[in-house]
Amino acid sequence: ETGVTQTPRHLVMGMTNKKSLKCEQHLGHNAMYWYKQSAKKPLELMFVYSLEERVENNSVPSRFSPECPNSSHLFLHLHTLQPEDSALYLCASSPGGAGGLETQYFGPGTRLLVL
Amino acid sequence: AQKITQTQPGMFVQEKEAVTLDCTYDTSDQSYGLFWYKQPSSGEMIFLIYQGSYDEQNATEGRYSLNFQKARKSANLVISASQLGDSAMYFCAMREVYNTDKLIFGTGTRLQVFP
Repeated sequence: ETGVTQTPRHLVMGMTNKKSLKCEQHLGHNAMYWYKQSAKKPLELMFVYSLEERVENNSVPSRFSPECPNSSHLFLHLHTLQPEDSALYLCASSPGGAGGLETQYFGPGTRLLVL
Repeated sequence: AQKITQTQPGMFVQEKEAVTLDCTYDTSDQSYGLFWYKQPSSGEMIFLIYQGSYDEQNATEGRYSLNFQKARKSANLVISASQLGDSAMYFCAMREVYNTDKLIFGTGTRLQVFP
């Protein structure tokens, strides 16, 4: 596989469920990102990992918990979500760490619906 | 204040014609990067083209070119010879050298190509 992959592509969950989103990049990049895309709003950066260390947490509620076990994998653990958390969650990676002006390459996203 | 402004929520263009999607940005940095992404209905954010603030030439990638006017702080995307498959949302984004973890997105322009 090439590029950035995300699973699952679609997810429906209740407010009391716990689920995880998975992202994997096959590009040899060192930085990975989680974004949230809600309807009619610009993409919002949630978390940034550079060389497996979290370097950014954009005031995201604690019901979202990221994990980066290695430079190729990124998870977003979800628990006790709210209906307003329904959105498209996009993962991205960039080559040389979080510094510089490098291009970010995105995965196909997970469409999440919280009931 | 918005950092990236895309004033056209929707655009129509006939197949084989050229179309320009507008983007203006706001930054006090001298060094920054400007990006355009395409997002089809499937959700994936596809990188199209990049322009660095110090690049003297306008960027081109196949049918995509970026009309960069630094003094006006505009970075318009020009798509030549439109194809039906170009129908999608298009996002302009900026990365500042002193804020390199963040890729700041505009609200997007929905392009519809008709036969």
